[in-house]
Amino acid sequence: KAGVTQTPRYLIKTRGQQVTLSCSPISGHRSVSWYQQTPGQGLQFLFEYFSETQRNKGNFPGRFSGRQFSNSRSEMNVSTLELGDSALYLCASSTEGNQPQHFGDGTRLSIL
Amino acid sequence: GQNIDQPTEMTATEGAIVQINCTYQTSGFNGLFWYQQHAGEAPTFLSYNVLDGLEEKGRFSSFLSRSKGYSYLLLKELQMKDSASYLCAVRDPDKGGYNKLIFGAGTRLAVHP
Repeated sequence: KAGVTQTPRYLIKTRGQQVTLSCSPISGHRSVSWYQQTPGQGLQFLFEYFSETQRNKGNFPGRFSGRQFSNSRSEMNVSTLELGDSALYLCASSTEGNQPQHFGDGTRLSIL
Repeated sequence: GQNIDQPTEMTATEGAIVQINCTYQTSGFNGLFWYQQHAGEAPTFLSYNVLDGLEEKGRFSSFLSRSKGYSYLLLKELQMKDSASYLCAVRDPDKGGYNKLIFGAGTRLAVHP
């Protein structure tokens, strides 16, 4: 069974640009969550999508948005990039119930 | 607010046993996870506790005491490949927060010969 796939693996952008990251969950998983990981703040929850609807949201500004498609694939968008957005962005998928989230390898975003 | 504390760094010897502690202060409780993360890689699931007691899975065990807001991860027969960060995470206690995990800062474990 294929794991969670995130593309691209690495991305370099400049301040003010926008970026779109993609996540394909494990087959059969309908929940997709996004996290930001930085050395200073650790892993922080961005948002969760389930059946194409945002079900939970973390404490990030409106520049961070996402969506989920009918095949459960999800995208995350960050607009007006800032230096502080440099981070590893992780996507995790899961089924319902007491099941763990499974993480992809992440997209490492660097802002110049 | 929600808060999770775990030691920043630990060192141990190959073949030994190490216990990584995690304490949490949350407004409710819906379950606690342990993940392992090697440098530059994705976190991988190790264990899940929702009831008090010990869950054993091979060389790894995890313990939970809900009344004390405390968990630990026990690693036995340490191997060099166990050098990694170990992340403690709790489910958000709010209704509907089932797939929203709140992570501790992680414990970097270094295993030496």
